Amino acid sequence: AQSVTQLGSHVSVSEGALVLLRCNYSSSVPPYLFWYVQYPNQGLQLLLKYTSAATLVKGINGFEAEFKKSETSFHLTKPSAHMSDAAEYFCAVSKGQGAQKLVFGQGTRLTINP
Amino acid sequence: NAGVMQNPRHLVRRRGQEARLRCSPMKGHSHVYWYRQLPEEGLKFMVYLQKENIIDESGMPKERFSAEFPKEGPSILRIQQVVRGDSAAYFCASSLPGGPGNTIYFGEGSWLTVV
Repeated sequence: AQSVTQLGSHVSVSEGALVLLRCNYSSSVPPYLFWYVQYPNQGLQLLLKYTSAATLVKGINGFEAEFKKSETSFHLTKPSAHMSDAAEYFCAVSKGQGAQKLVFGQGTRLTINP
Repeated sequence: NAGVMQNPRHLVRRRGQEARLRCSPMKGHSHVYWYRQLPEEGLKFMVYLQKENIIDESGMPKERFSAEFPKEGPSILRIQQVVRGDSAAYFCASSLPGGPGNTIYFGEGSWLTVV
């Protein structure tokens, strides 16, 4: 069965610092991987997705993620944090072969310090 | 192009009442999903529907919960005889038909409070 583990339920960085949110997956088949962002009391917005093309995926708002099969990881990064990046971030996996069900990690709350 | 529309955004029900949550998918999307987010937790899959068909309901509680996506009209998530533990945010999502790499778009959510 597919699963996702997000390391660190809370991450705090200073404005302008590197953002690194960790995600490890477990999948018996080549996975499709997603990062979503959720602002307070809102729905989820897709940041980026990996669908077996390039291993380095660029998303919106300056975020990117690298798929590393050997490490079963799909960490999310942004070189320079902005106050508006404060939100909850979810990593999700969708298995191949016709299934479209997303399995989400527990989420990481990102706080940006001025 | 409107996104996934959910209503109501907020719903308060007394224990034992029924809650009905509605979802209109994005234009052209024939696949609908319902997820539940309990306080301080991630999203948990509930059900996956296509028009007039339930494809996967492995995440639905066995009792009191039902979902439909009729030929015409929105998808409905129905919770009968609500209990306090049903208080959560319920998110609907939709996608185009195709494979698992398709983007799934989420609505703004419906927050259910059971008092």
